[in-house]
Amino acid sequence: NAGVMQNPRHLVRRRGQEARLRCSPMKGHSHVYWYRQLPEEGLKFMVYLQKENIIDESGMPKERFSAEFPKEGPSILRIQQVVRGDSAAYFCASSPPGQGFEKLFFGSGTQLSVL
Amino acid sequence: RKEVEQDPGPFNVPEGATVAFNCTYSNSASQSFFWYRQDCRKEPKLLMSVYSSGNEDGRFTAQLNRASQYISLLIRDSKLSDSATYLCVVPFSGGYNKLIFGAGTRLAVHP
Repeated sequence: NAGVMQNPRHLVRRRGQEARLRCSPMKGHSHVYWYRQLPEEGLKFMVYLQKENIIDESGMPKERFSAEFPKEGPSILRIQQVVRGDSAAYFCASSPPGQGFEKLFFGSGTQLSVL
Repeated sequence: RKEVEQDPGPFNVPEGATVAFNCTYSNSASQSFFWYRQDCRKEPKLLMSVYSSGNEDGRFTAQLNRASQYISLLIRDSKLSDSATYLCVVPFSGGYNKLIFGAGTRLAVHP
């Protein structure tokens, strides 16, 4: 049973480009969470999605950031017109429905570097 | 006041030492707490859960002080492999897996 899969592992973008980060949850998991970790800081919640629904996006910046979790395929975190301050590690986590925190598993993350 | 606060360290200890980290939290209604371990910017992994006064797992002991709103993690007989960043985590009281992470405490165990 594969874990939470994120790709790419490293992503380099120039200012103004778009970044697309992908997350495939563990088999049987229908809940996906995105977190961002800036250098020397803890992980910060961004968004919580279920299939085809955004449940909580209170941690998402108001502009340039969007997330989706379609019926088929991985969850996508999209950052438009990236700026240097977007450079961070982006972690995805998944859990099955109705389960506690011990059933929350993180992917290896995508390290985004904006030049 | 931050929702979850930790001493960033680093804590530099020799092998075999006992080391303790503290974490304070602001939401007095929090019912459960977690310690995660993170290695070199890799994904965080759950180390221990704390639902009541404390929890023990081998060399690791977590304790909760609700009155003072802090959680501690004690590591006995430190190993080189314990070198990592330890994250104190408190769930958001919204009813799902939204977690609030502390910035972490770095531990370096040396020979």
